Amino acid sequence: EIVLTQSPGTLSLSPGERATLSCRASLSVSSNFLAWYQQKPGRAPRLVIYGASSRATGIPDRFAGSGSGTDFTLTISRLESEDFAVYYCQQYGTSPFTFGQGTKLEIK
Amino acid sequence: EVQLVESGGGLVQPGGSLRLSCVASGFSISDNYMNWVRQAPGKGLEWISYITSGSSTMYYADSVKGRFTISRDNAKNSLYLQMNSLRVEDTAIYYCASKFEIWGRGAMVTVSS
Repeated sequence: EIVLTQSPGTLSLSPGERATLSCRASLSVSSNFLAWYQQKPGRAPRLVIYGASSRATGIPDRFAGSGSGTDFTLTISRLESEDFAVYYCQQYGTSPFTFGQGTKLEIK
Repeated sequence: EVQLVESGGGLVQPGGSLRLSCVASGFSISDNYMNWVRQAPGKGLEWISYITSGSSTMYYADSVKGRFTISRDNAKNSLYLQMNSLRVEDTAIYYCASKFEIWGRGAMVTVSS
């Protein structure tokens, strides 16, 4: 099983700042099948990035995914109020399709 | 409107069974792989099962293997999860997802005596 470790656990930033979220895999992620999701309280997860670096439909270009192999990053260039949420990474290349434990992005 | 709607959740005693359904509207699931993902109260996301478009391949998390069965009926645009031998630790919101792109709002399953 591929274990995904996200860091930091909590990130406190102000609107307008840049956010950098990390996801490290215990084994190489097949074909860069790495996704990022945003989840707000009481809501279903929302796909943000798939294939490590492709933005999902309707996701603004301030969101960018990068990385390959075992190290992946989600960058939000200029935080807006609606971006504060919990973010999960997930690998969907090798069953079981594991999730990271999440990074909470909170307003400072 | 493109959406997935889960149903069939509820309160069940340990050892009991439930069958979740997920119906798609506004799009066809027939060409898409489908998944079930759950989230225990206050916890993170846990993938639990996957099925290919033609039902030829299914995968399960170890935590549910042998107890849960995923299936689909493309003619009814629907996905199912049969859950047997339920445990307290299966208590969670259960989401269906189409290719991880489209998600339902979830169905709450509570396993308690």
